[in-house]
Amino acid sequence: SQTIHQWPATLVQPVGSPLSLECTVEGTSNPNLYWYRQAAGRGLQLLFYSVGIGQISSEVPQNLSASRPQDRQFILSSKKLLLSDSGFYLCAWSGVAGLTPAGELFFGEGSRLTVL
Amino acid sequence: AQSVTQLGSHVSVSEGALVLLRCNYSSSVPPYLFWYVQYPNQGLQLLLKYTSAATLVKGINGFEAEFKKSETSFHLTKPSAHMSDAAEYFCAVPLTNNQGGKLIFGQGTELSVKP
Repeated sequence: SQTIHQWPATLVQPVGSPLSLECTVEGTSNPNLYWYRQAAGRGLQLLFYSVGIGQISSEVPQNLSASRPQDRQFILSSKKLLLSDSGFYLCAWSGVAGLTPAGELFFGEGSRLTVL
Repeated sequence: AQSVTQLGSHVSVSEGALVLLRCNYSSSVPPYLFWYVQYPNQGLQLLLKYTSAATLVKGINGFEAEFKKSETSFHLTKPSAHMSDAAEYFCAVPLTNNQGGKLIFGQGTELSVKP
């Protein structure tokens, strides 16, 4: 069966410091991968989307970047964190469009980032 | 592009009472609609999904949702609330009809259950 893992689960960082959140998927090949951010009272915002190694689409302009160095690895980074980067970050995967499960996203456990 | 609107950011019910969480989608009929649940400090878990096969969809934990094209709605219901149902619930729709997996989420509804 497929599993998805994120780490670290909790992170407290000072403003201006770098960030690296990692996500890995097991049990599937060539998944679509996603980073979402959940800020208090603002629902889920899609940040990045990847259909393959090295292929990243950014959905919103921001202080963050994403990379996909391997098929099942997705990394969220920042060179200098801002206070507004605080939030709950969720990694997710889905099957390739047109294949089952239809349109469904599978989420990791989340990483809570607090920038002070 | 599709969008969903969840009416009510907070809903409070008594244990044993009916749960009704509202979701309306934008005017074009989506191929799929989803309800996800999020317990505190956890990721999202799929409750149920509409795939055009049936308008009444049954999900996990006794939840169900009915797709109503005439009302552009996909409201989530449960006949009798349990304390363990306290969580945040999200309605979601694919961004466009031909982009599987890229979901747009509503703002979420936090469900509280009183003893």
